[in-house]
Amino acid sequence: QQQVKQSPQSLIVQKGGISIINCAYENTAFDYFPWYQQFPGKGPALLIAIRPDVSEKKEGRFTISFNKSAKQFSLHIMDSQPGDSATYFCAAIGAGTYKYIFGTGTRLKVLA
Amino acid sequence: EAQVTQNPRYLITVTGKKLTVTCSQNMNHEYMSWYRQDPGLGLRQIYYSMNVEVTDKGDVPEGYKVSRKEKRNFPLILESPSPNQTSLYFCASSLNGGSLQETQYFGPGTRLLVL
Repeated sequence: QQQVKQSPQSLIVQKGGISIINCAYENTAFDYFPWYQQFPGKGPALLIAIRPDVSEKKEGRFTISFNKSAKQFSLHIMDSQPGDSATYFCAAIGAGTYKYIFGTGTRLKVLA
Repeated sequence: EAQVTQNPRYLITVTGKKLTVTCSQNMNHEYMSWYRQDPGLGLRQIYYSMNVEVTDKGDVPEGYKVSRKEKRNFPLILESPSPNQTSLYFCASSLNGGSLQETQYFGPGTRLLVL
């Protein structure tokens, strides 16, 4: 069963706008939450990641917001660019485990 | 160049014909993993390996086998492929493993069609 729910399934944003992708998890034992970016025909690549003891992490135009009590985390892409058009996956890793649980993905299209 | 390689990149086969997808990494990583990617389902972990001779099941291990006899190689074996194993497969590796919060590097993918 899917333990990480990701939304929306697809997203269209104008150039310069903010893209927001949300994920919610059920297992409170998760202790690491990475986001991956995947371009067509390529494997996913790590974009940014956060631990649950931090409420926000920013790297350039990409920010993760983390709400531990709500068991939700989200990716914000500021000043979205056409080059950001890709599929984005959130993921969660269980504490003391080596298992990755991925969300179902969000296909982002940024219009020029 | 540091990379994860997979072979073949594309494969068409028939039901029941055993096949192996190879995966190799040149980064001396301890952790390796296999995923399948299906539309609407995202990435699902099949098997992972924390070290040589140490493997464990992911979320969808049925119908697959793996082995880790050397650190650099982690082949995925389909003993009797079925059409529901038609998918895009990714191999990945990281230095020590997910719980140590490290970057996981993905290969380019293998697209498999089982007729």
